[in-house]
Amino acid sequence: DIQMTQSPSSLSASVGDRVTITCRASQGISDSLAWYQQKPGKVPKLLIYAASTLQSGVPSRFSGSGSGTDFTLTISSLQPEDVATYYCQKYNNAPFTFGPGTKVDI
Amino acid sequence: QVQLVQSGAEVKKPGASVRVSCKASGYTFKNYVISWVRQTPGQGLEWMGWISTYSDEKKFAQKFQGRVTMTADASTSTAYMELRSLRSDDTAVYYCARDRDPYTYVYGYWGQGTLVTVSS
Repeated sequence: DIQMTQSPSSLSASVGDRVTITCRASQGISDSLAWYQQKPGKVPKLLIYAASTLQSGVPSRFSGSGSGTDFTLTISSLQPEDVATYYCQKYNNAPFTFGPGTKVDI
Repeated sequence: QVQLVQSGAEVKKPGASVRVSCKASGYTFKNYVISWVRQTPGQGLEWMGWISTYSDEKKFAQKFQGRVTMTADASTSTAYMELRSLRSDDTAVYYCARDRDPYTYVYGYWGQGTLVTVSS
């Protein structure tokens, strides 16, 4: 099975900072990569799919890029409401594995 | 609007089974698979498997093969996940989820989660 890794596992940044999270697949997955945001005590929320397509209603400060094995999620200007754990997920074929998550704090 | 409403929290003893339900509304039930994802305390998201609500086809993560059953009742638009031979490390929040678009396995909709606690 393809393994998903994320880095860093956690980060702390200031309001307005540019934040970048990396997700790596152990084998190529084309652009079959989604990003989710999970705030404490809440249900995961889809942010990005197809590596770079923003889900409807998601603020434009979120963006995704990458293809193959290396992907990034960028928050262009970190806001207080972005405090959450961010997960990547591969969906090219089963199992649809999630990354271990990156916790973002202010 | 699409809604997935799950059954309530459960407390089970080791070795027992648990069945979690997920009632869907706001869309045509048979057009989308239902997937199940769990989250152990303080940990990440773990994909368990999916069931086609149209064909009854299923796919499970190898870790759960032989211990999980997934069913779907189109007459009530409800999906079920049963996990058997429970262990303490099965204590988790169990989510049902629906694809954003049919058969994409990108989860645009989630149930509210069901906490299953396994304790003697």
